[in-house]
Amino acid sequence: DADVTQTPRNRITKTGKRIMLECSQTKGHDRMYWYRQDPGLGLRLIYYSFDVKDINKGEISDGYSVSRQAQAKFSLSLESAIPNQTALYFCATGGGQETQYFGPGTRLLVL
Amino acid sequence: AQKVTQAQTEISVVEKEDVTLDCVYETRDTTYYLFWYKQPPSGELVFLIRRNSFDEQNEISGRYSWNFQKSTSSFNFTITASQVVDSAVYFCALRANFGNEKLTFGTGTRLTIIP
Repeated sequence: DADVTQTPRNRITKTGKRIMLECSQTKGHDRMYWYRQDPGLGLRLIYYSFDVKDINKGEISDGYSVSRQAQAKFSLSLESAIPNQTALYFCATGGGQETQYFGPGTRLLVL
Repeated sequence: AQKVTQAQTEISVVEKEDVTLDCVYETRDTTYYLFWYKQPPSGELVFLIRRNSFDEQNEISGRYSWNFQKSTSSFNFTITASQVVDSAVYFCALRANFGNEKLTFGTGTRLTIIP
């Protein structure tokens, strides 16, 4: 089984809809992250969490919110999706100076 | 501010050739970590290597090798005897040691191995 899982893997939604992307990990890491990938821009950090009670904004948090339901679960929400949020979204885990390990990604298309 | 530059947007080589992917970084921190990730056509991000700023030893893992040079702020990645399965987008990334959770990624190099 994969250490970091993301659901759904693909999603098509319409402008204005609320959508949630979910991430679960079995690596036992305290830190979890959400990134988005856009062609030609690499990956950019949206939010990160040190533990259940500690959530922090990344460089592009506008239009997104997160919830850390447990050490192993970290979800990303788009309250009102817009077309420029079409991207590939990655969840990652890590701890301290450790490497960040990425999930398989969720391809989101906002029409 | 941190920055990672991967100047090679796309590279194509014939199978069995060697290929080097360049990575140049900028940071004011004296302690930092450098990474390489592979993104195959299926889309997932696969961790390849981490190197900390105190360790300038080059590393070899099978057909992969990495050349870290602080003097030129570079962390280059070489694939020897390339194979079709090496076709992917490769990302170099940088993380400072303290107070910065963000991995700064380069824009990636798309490598195509021609059979």
